[in-house]
Amino acid sequence: QVQLVQSGAEVKKPGASVKVSCKASGYTFTGYYIHWVRQAPGQGLEWLGWINPNRGGTNNAQRFQGRVTVTRDKSISTAYMELSRLTSDDTAVYYCAREDLYDSRGIDLWGQGTLVTVSS
Amino acid sequence: QSVLTQPPSVSGTPGQRVTISCSGSKSSVGRNPVSWYQQLPGTAPKLLIYRNEQRPSGVPDRFSGSKSGTSASLAISGLQSEEEAYYYCASWDDSLNGVVFGGGTKLTVL
Repeated sequence: QVQLVQSGAEVKKPGASVKVSCKASGYTFTGYYIHWVRQAPGQGLEWLGWINPNRGGTNNAQRFQGRVTVTRDKSISTAYMELSRLTSDDTAVYYCAREDLYDSRGIDLWGQGTLVTVSS
Repeated sequence: QSVLTQPPSVSGTPGQRVTISCSGSKSSVGRNPVSWYQQLPGTAPKLLIYRNEQRPSGVPDRFSGSKSGTSASLAISGLQSEEEAYYYCASWDDSLNGVVFGGGTKLTVL
């Protein structure tokens, strides 16, 4: 079954970091970008960045430069997104999603989402 | 404030045709393909349209997309009650060097 399965909900204090995982199965992990997109409560979608699982190259949204780190472990078909220096504004559902590396057909598969709550 | 501009809401009755607009800039919609996503309450987004007008397998042909210049549109014909959801457009932005989304449009089926 083709799917992306994310790690569970997290509660963090302001100033801390959070690391969310995204395990791919049912397809060739290295053939698709992994994007990270978040959605604050009652708000729209916001892109954080992507990783090329094949070569490991990344591209992050300018407003998150220096705060977001996207990595991957090819051996277990898993991507990670770490967000540091958390504030209450980072409370959101974080999604990973894939896009074909070589023949883009949109972001065609999404994980179930991981709720990150930042609260003192 | 989102880089791509969508109307906050649209509505229609069952069987009607509705359109949702998405306005961008030269560096986004003007130069790059647009995709559209449907988000039902409490679920992850689902791809409806890619490359401006292409439908993934399994998406009904009642959904169609188009693009002209720096604007794109999603049309839904034969509206059904289960299509009440939020709809988002997205594109690459060459100036921002990243993916940008519209603010989302809530479709209400009356």
